[in-house]
Amino acid sequence: GENVEQHPSTLSVQEGDSAVIKCTYSDSASNYFPWYKQELGKRPQLIIDIRSNVGEKKDQRIAVTLNKTAKHFSLHITETQPEDSAVYFCAASRVGAQKLVFGQGTRLTINP
Amino acid sequence: GAGVSQTPSNKVTEKGKYVELRCDPISGHTALYWYRQSLGQGPEFLIYFQGTGAADDSGLPNDRFFAVRPEGSVSTLKIQRTERGDSAVYLCASSLTGQNNEQFFGPGTRLTVL
Repeated sequence: GENVEQHPSTLSVQEGDSAVIKCTYSDSASNYFPWYKQELGKRPQLIIDIRSNVGEKKDQRIAVTLNKTAKHFSLHITETQPEDSAVYFCAASRVGAQKLVFGQGTRLTINP
Repeated sequence: GAGVSQTPSNKVTEKGKYVELRCDPISGHTALYWYRQSLGQGPEFLIYFQGTGAADDSGLPNDRFFAVRPEGSVSTLKIQRTERGDSAVYLCASSLTGQNNEQFFGPGTRLTVL
């Protein structure tokens, strides 16, 4: 089955700097890759997603890139702000299987 | 509109007891998912419903776990003979259809088995 690896497990950056979180997946049939943000004690919330027919997608300060050949995708957050502090999860879903397989999460801390 | 809701928010039970966890999806969403999240881990898939039927139950860990969605809306996750290892946050999510649409998560039920 699908396996998703996420790195780093923790990331600390200065406010205003950029943060990058990387994920790799094992199933070449995966075609949908969402990123969720989860604040302490709260529900996961989708922040951006990408499908396999697209290499990059941007939404304001957030961008995701996908390399299908290498089977990895990354989340980029620019001009980080204190409210970006949270745990971020990547996930993958294959064609015909609706379940999401999640990475282990990255705890991002933005230092003022 | 209302998001996904789950009840109870917290459940404490004793080892060996039976528990039921409820999920109310977003109105009109045909797909419903149950995940389990242990501390410091990502959500782990349990079961997926399309309408009333369980389309994929490959994530249920054993036969103590069962879920239903009799009318294609509300779902109940049932755990028999609970064990301490069942302690986790149980998350429910729904999506408009099952075709890789955004999954909206509920706040979760924190289950503690003493």
